[in-house]
Order: sequence, then structure tokens, then C-alpha cells
Amino acid sequence: DAGVTQSPTHLIKTRGQQVTLRCSPISGHKSVSWYQQVLGQGPQFIFQYYEKEERGRGNFPDRFSARQFPNYSSELNVNALLLGDSALYLCASSLESSYNEQFFGPGTRLTVL
Amino acid sequence: KQEVTQIPAALSVPEGENLVLNCSFTDSAIYNLQWFRQDPGKGLTSLLLIQSSQREQTSGRLNASLDKSSGRSTLYIAASQPGDSATYLCAVYGNNRLAFGKGNQVVVIP
Repeated sequence: DAGVTQSPTHLIKTRGQQVTLRCSPISGHKSVSWYQQVLGQGPQFIFQYYEKEERGRGNFPDRFSARQFPNYSSELNVNALLLGDSALYLCASSLESSYNEQFFGPGTRLTVL
Repeated sequence: KQEVTQIPAALSVPEGENLVLNCSFTDSAIYNLQWFRQDPGKGLTSLLLIQSSQREQTSGRLNASLDKSSGRSTLYIAASQPGDSATYLCAVYGNNRLAFGKGNQVVVIP
């Protein structure tokens, strides 16, 4: 079975642009979460979606938004990119929202110039 | 706000030695704790999941313990191998999110 998939693998943008990152969860998983990992740090929580509803939001500005589709895939959008948004963006999926093991995708490396 | 600390930040051990990685967290109201492995520039690979009601979990050469009341977890890797070289991340689940430490960067010397 396929694991969590993310696209694109790498992305280069300039300041002020907008970006959309995509995630497909493991088949049967209904919960998707997004994390940002800057170099040398642990991942930081951005959003969790379960059954297409937002269940949690981390301490990120309103430039960050996300949604989950009926097939449980998800998109993360970031507007008005800043240099500090350069990071590895990780998507995780789990069966339900609370008690289950989280499985991570390979990430999208975003570079903002 | 949950704070997760991992000590030491980095360590090197000769091949064959046992590895002991420590994790502490400030809020004991957690659903579970997961240990992950991360290779440079890659995503996270789940190693072990310990539910809040459990004391330990084992998988092959890996054993993780959880003491929720004191806010501590320890990951033991027996008979380390060069392929165990990676960053190991501890994360606790609560409030609909994982809170991560900064990781233990491990180098196993052949």
C-alpha cells in the first residue's frame, strides 16, 4: 500500500508569491495534519483536518490556510511568501484524529528567495 | 503550551554499543507519545507509538518507555549499527496536535 504522498517535492518561489502544497493520505485515513520544519528544529504544527473540518490550528499567521477534500486529500496554501517561510512542509495522516499513530509523507522543500 | 525537550542534542557512539535517548515533556495530559526517525532532508519514519495508558513498547532492537506522571520517555536502541545514524524525534499528542522536541542527532561509528 502507498504511504502518504506529497507534491511537489521541491519548490522555489520569490517573496510575495503564493504557493499550494498537496497531500494524499494513506488509504482509509480520515485525518490529515500539516507541519513546518525549519533546519535544525523539530516540526511545528500548522493545521489538523478530520472529516473535512478543521480540528486544530497552530500559531501561524492568516497567510496560511488549508482545506481537506471529500477524498480526504488536503492542500496547504501560503500567501504573500516571506523568506522565513522557507522550510520543509510535512503532511501526516492517521485513521482518526486523536489516538492513532501518525504517518508522515516525504515532505515538500519550499525555498523562498 | 506543551514543551518537549530532548537530551542530548547530539551524540556519537561506537558500533555495537547501546543507545539511550531521553525525552521530557511539561504537560502530562497527553493521548500518546511517538518516536520518529528522520534522515537528512527526508520525512519522518514512525518507530514506536506508546499510548498514555502503556508503560513501554518494543519493536526489534528498539524499546521505548513512558512515565507520564513525571513527563519522561526513553528510547533504547540495542547493539547500535551504522545504519542507525539519524536524527531521532520524540513527539507527544494532545490538543489535536503533535508537539515535537528538537531531536537527538545520532552518529554510530563503525
